Amino acid sequence: EIVLTQSPGTLSLSPGERATLSCRASQSVTSISLAWYQQKPGQAPRLLIYGASSRATGIPDRFSGSGSGTDFTLTISRLEPEDFAVYFCQQFGDSLYTFGQGTKLEIK
Amino acid sequence: QVQLVQSGAEVKKPGASVKVSCKASGYIFTNYHLHWMRQAPGQGLEWMGIINPNGGITKYPQKFQGRVTMTRDTSTSTVYMELSSLTSEDTAIYYCARECASCYRFDPWGQGTLVTVSS
Repeated sequence: EIVLTQSPGTLSLSPGERATLSCRASQSVTSISLAWYQQKPGQAPRLLIYGASSRATGIPDRFSGSGSGTDFTLTISRLEPEDFAVYFCQQFGDSLYTFGQGTKLEIK
Repeated sequence: QVQLVQSGAEVKKPGASVKVSCKASGYIFTNYHLHWMRQAPGQGLEWMGIINPNGGITKYPQKFQGRVTMTRDTSTSTVYMELSSLTSEDTAIYYCARECASCYRFDPWGQGTLVTVSS
């Protein structure tokens, strides 16, 4: 099983700042299978990024994804108040989907 | 618009089974796979398996084999997830989510169904 480790666990920033979230895999992941989701309290996850770097429909361009192999990054260029939430990465490998444990982005 | 609407919250006793439904609308039901995930309180997400509504073929991770069954009803565009031999560790929010074949991403998700296992 491919384990995804997200860091930091909690990120405290202010609106307008830049957020960089990391997702590290225990073994190499195909970029096409790497996705990022946003989850707000009491809501289902929402797809942000797929294929490591493609934005899902309707996602603002302040969200971007990058990386390959075992290291992937989600960047939010300029935080808006509605961006404070939990973010998960996800991959498919060895016939199994796995998720990272999440990064909580909180207002400083 | 594409929508997945799940059944309501359930409370079950240990050892019982639970069956959660997920009704799809806004797209051709048999053109997309449907997956089930769960999220225990304050925890991350766990993949439980996939069903292809076109033919009903399923695949489950080893952890859930023998305990989970996913079915579909094409006449109502609904998929079902049944989990048996429940314990308190199965207390979680259960989600269905759509995937286009070999897209490796889930979009959209159902609203979630809380299953509580308690004696």
